[in-house]
Amino acid sequence: AQSVTQPDIHITVSEGASLELRCNYSYGATPYLFWYVQSPGQGLQLLLKYFSGDTLVQGIKGFEAEFKRSQSSFNLRKPSVHWSDAAEYFCAVGAGNFGNEKLTFGTGTRLTIIP
Amino acid sequence: DAGVIQSPRHEVTEMGQEVTLRCKPISGHDYLFWYRQTMMRGLELLIYFNNNVPIDDSGMPEDRFSAKMPNASFSTLKIQPSEPRDSAVYFCASSSSGTSYNEQFFGPGTRLTVL
Repeated sequence: AQSVTQPDIHITVSEGASLELRCNYSYGATPYLFWYVQSPGQGLQLLLKYFSGDTLVQGIKGFEAEFKRSQSSFNLRKPSVHWSDAAEYFCAVGAGNFGNEKLTFGTGTRLTIIP
Repeated sequence: DAGVIQSPRHEVTEMGQEVTLRCKPISGHDYLFWYRQTMMRGLELLIYFNNNVPIDDSGMPEDRFSAKMPNASFSTLKIQPSEPRDSAVYFCASSSSGTSYNEQFFGPGTRLTVL
């Protein structure tokens, strides 16, 4: 069965600093990988996704992620964070009976931005 | 498009009462998912449907939980009888197999409190 590990429960960074959120997955086949963001009191919004092709993918809000098969990782990065980036971030791997329709989420990383 | 619609947004009930959560997926989407989010267990997939048919209900915690999808535009998640440990935020999401990534779109959630 697939699984996702987000080793950092909470990260605090200064506004304008760079950010990297870690994600490791376990899945027997080629994974569909996703990063979602959840603002307080809101549902989840997709930031970016990967299935094949270029291992560096660009998403919304200036985020990017790099797929590294050898490390089973899909880390999320942003060169300069803004106060509005404070939220919880979830990594997910897609699998299921028909392909990628079922998502398994990590436990999330809460991001705090300090001025 | 209005996105995924969930009702009610907040529900407070007493232990032993029946609770019904409702979801309207995005028009044209053929997958519908119910998730539960708690501090202790994170985001858990409870059940998902494809073309109104339940595909995987292995995440449904026990017989007190049931889900239906009578048509393509409506689904319910019912808890009977409710217990305090059912307190959580319940999310509905939908996706379309017509897209290569099968991106899931989440509703705003229903915050359930069982006293």
